[in-house]
Amino acid sequence: AQTVTQSQPEMSVQEAETVTLSCTYDTSENNYYLFWYKQPPSRQMILVIRQEAYKQQNATENRFSVNFQKAAKSFSLKISDSQLGDTAMYFCAFMKHVSDKVIFGPGTSLSVIP
Amino acid sequence: DGGITQSPKYLFRKEGQNVTLSCEQNLNHDAMYWYRQDPGQGLRLIYYSQIVNDFQKGDIAEGYSVSREKKESFPLTVTSAQKNPTAFYLCASSIEDISGSPLHFGNGTRLTVT
Repeated sequence: AQTVTQSQPEMSVQEAETVTLSCTYDTSENNYYLFWYKQPPSRQMILVIRQEAYKQQNATENRFSVNFQKAAKSFSLKISDSQLGDTAMYFCAFMKHVSDKVIFGPGTSLSVIP
Repeated sequence: DGGITQSPKYLFRKEGQNVTLSCEQNLNHDAMYWYRQDPGQGLRLIYYSQIVNDFQKGDIAEGYSVSREKKESFPLTVTSAQKNPTAFYLCASSIEDISGSPLHFGNGTRLTVT
């Protein structure tokens, strides 16, 4: 069975600085999909970024980028120029096939400090 | 606007009563999901459905039941057999897309059982 691990329960970063959130996963599949979701205090889940495993290039979305290391089964999220609005829980997620079940990690609580 | 509607936002029940949480989507998505979130924890999958009239158990299906009679609707019933039903429940949907479409989430239902 697939598992997703986030080893940092809590992190903090100064406003305008860069922070990296870690995620590792376990799977025997060769192709799959990875996601980072953000859950602010409103509890609305928001997609931050996604990566298809067969694509070598790391995904980027504005200030958010990933470091996808397929062999190491690692999928870290880098947030550049951190903003107060980035304060949230961040969840890493794994999906084996299209429309298959999505497995979430336990989350990292990120606080951006002014 | 298209989206996922969960109702009600807050729900209170007495122990021993069954309760049904509503989830409706007008995104024309094929797959729908129910997750449970406990304080400080990640999302755990209860049930998911990839097509009408079919659904699969997730990791914590015991004490829950679902139906998928219409593409737009995926109600979750929390039965009296669920030992610890108080939690935040999130419904999600996704489209069957070879690029690995992400989940779209509703705003959640907070269930309190006393």
